[in-house]
Amino acid sequence: AAGVIQSPRHLIKEKRETATLKCYPIPRHDTVYWYQQGPGQDPQFLISFYEKMQSDKGSIPDRFSAQQFSDYHSELNMSSLELGDSALYFCASSRRTGWDEQYFGPGTRLTVT
Amino acid sequence: QKEVEQNSGPLSVPEGAIASLNCTYSDRGSQSFFWYRQYSGKSPELIMSIYSNGDKEDGRFTAQLNKASQYVSLLIRDSQPSDSATYLCVVPLAGNQFYFGTGTSLTVIP
Repeated sequence: AAGVIQSPRHLIKEKRETATLKCYPIPRHDTVYWYQQGPGQDPQFLISFYEKMQSDKGSIPDRFSAQQFSDYHSELNMSSLELGDSALYFCASSRRTGWDEQYFGPGTRLTVT
Repeated sequence: QKEVEQNSGPLSVPEGAIASLNCTYSDRGSQSFFWYRQYSGKSPELIMSIYSNGDKEDGRFTAQLNKASQYVSLLIRDSQPSDSATYLCVVPLAGNQFYFGTGTSLTVIP
């Protein structure tokens, strides 16, 4: 079965640079979620989109933005990167908004030097 | 108090034993509950979902839900070394936000 695809899998950036992470949800899933997981921490919800509209917002810094496109893929844009942004970034998708099961992609490991 | 709390662990059980993982949540209105397994450096993998009071069994895994007590648990029977991972209790509390428990690290000793 098709899974959530994320790219790139690894990314190294310097402080103050920008980064763009991409997420391709499971086919026919219309909701996408972004999470950040620091070392030894549980995943923290950043933002979600349903039918290309932002549906919920968590602890996403103002330096970050995201959108969902007409083909339902999503991009997380991160600017003015800081050392503390180094983390695993997961994208998840579900069939509908609300309380449905979420399926996670393999993640993007971002390292800011 | 966190919205979702788990027994902190780490939890060690011998191979073949039953591992018991517990979770409490704060929102009485929560309607769905999930257990995810996460290996180090990997993404969370859905193991069980439960929506109604009682038990739900899937292979060696049994999820138990008690909404009155705001409590959900996961039992792993015949534990295997490959079950060694962090187990995350996940409860959607508001809108689309999934709240993760802090996770319980399980080690199954051969």
